[in-house]
Formats: sequence, C-alpha cells, structure tokens
Amino acid sequence: DVKVTQSSRYLVKRTGEKVFLECVQDMDHENMFWYRQDPGLGLRLIYFSYDVKMKEKGDIPEGYSVSREKKERFSLILESASTNQTSMYLCASISGSGTGAYEQYFGPGTRLTVT
Amino acid sequence: GENVEQHPSTLSVQEGDSAVIKCTYSDSASNYFPWYKQELGKGPQLIIDIRSNVGEKKDQRIAVTLNKTAKHFSLHITETQPEDSAVYFCARGLTGGGNKLTFGTGTQLKVEL
Repeated sequence: DVKVTQSSRYLVKRTGEKVFLECVQDMDHENMFWYRQDPGLGLRLIYFSYDVKMKEKGDIPEGYSVSREKKERFSLILESASTNQTSMYLCASISGSGTGAYEQYFGPGTRLTVT
Repeated sequence: GENVEQHPSTLSVQEGDSAVIKCTYSDSASNYFPWYKQELGKGPQLIIDIRSNVGEKKDQRIAVTLNKTAKHFSLHITETQPEDSAVYFCARGLTGGGNKLTFGTGTQLKVEL
C-alpha cells in the first residue's frame, strides 16, 4: 500500500513564526502536492513538485514556499505564519506523467492553528 | 479557467435511498474526472474515476456519468449505507498534464438510519 505520512496531525503556532510541514511518501512517486482545505472552498493547490529540486506554484502560493531536497520528502514552509493560514493542510503524491497512473494518494492532513 | 462547481454542499438521505452529487467544469480540454471520498480524520481517497471517452462507469453501488457537451459529471450512490457518510469531492484534470487536479468544493453526505 502507498503510504503518505505527514509530520503532525495537529499544530498550534503563533503569528509571525516560521512553520514547517513535512510530508513523506514511500512509493518512489515523482509528483507531490500541497493543498489546503477550508470549509466551503474544497481543496486548493498551494504548490506542487514534479521532481527533486523542482517546484511550481499552484493556485494560492502567496505566503508559502516549498522544498524538495529528496524524492520522498516535500516540505511546506510558512515563512511568517498569519491567522488566515489557519487551515487543514493535505499532502498528496502520484506517479509521474506517462506512467498511466492518475490516482493521487493523500496523507491524513495537518490541522494548523495560528494564534 | 479551470473552475469546478459542486452541488449540493450538504446532502442528507435515508439509509437505502440513492444520493446524487453534481459537478460542472469550465475547461473544455479536461479529460479526466475523479471522485474522492474523505472520511472523518482521514485524507481523501479515490473511489471512482472516468475519462472523457466514456459516458458512464459503474463500480458496485457507485457510478459516475459524464456529459462532455454540457461539461458536467455526476456521482450516483445507490442503496446508501451509514458508512457512505463522508465528504465527497469531484475533480477535473488532464491526463498527461502533470497529474494536476482542480477540486470541487465538496459535499457532506449524511446517511441517516
């Protein structure tokens, strides 16, 4: 079974803090994604990565950055956390394009509260 | 654009009844339409998907229909059971397009005994 793990289930941080959310997948997937989930807004793509050291902005990248130093790990960074970044953060991974695989595998999510 | 509209946002049915969730999309190039189910405390999980060369697909109690002309697709769950209670997300994408998906806003389905 594909496994996507996220470093924390719940996180409470203060405004202005630098926050790291970690995601690890064990299936040698090329593509990894970070989403945030908010009631009434569904899943919105923050950043994605097609390969190590590669990253592309999604639909709502403002206030976030990412790092992919190793294939299995994709980190989301909140440079200076703000209260409007309080949300559920979901990581997902999938095999690369051309493999015929289309299913995204999600981690359990990290619920981040910024006070 | 690549927006996906999903309705209803909440749906309550009696056990054994059918449930239908509908989505519309705007990008006519879309050719891949998955549905994800998210149970409480878990990440979304793929339950069924359909590609644009097919109008309908069934898997036991769930089915998806696609109308490419009208740019809408629907999820049908028959003989609903309490374990079907969850949040359901539709999505659209492009096969070969980096596997990037645009998700709908979600439907909270509650199956009542």
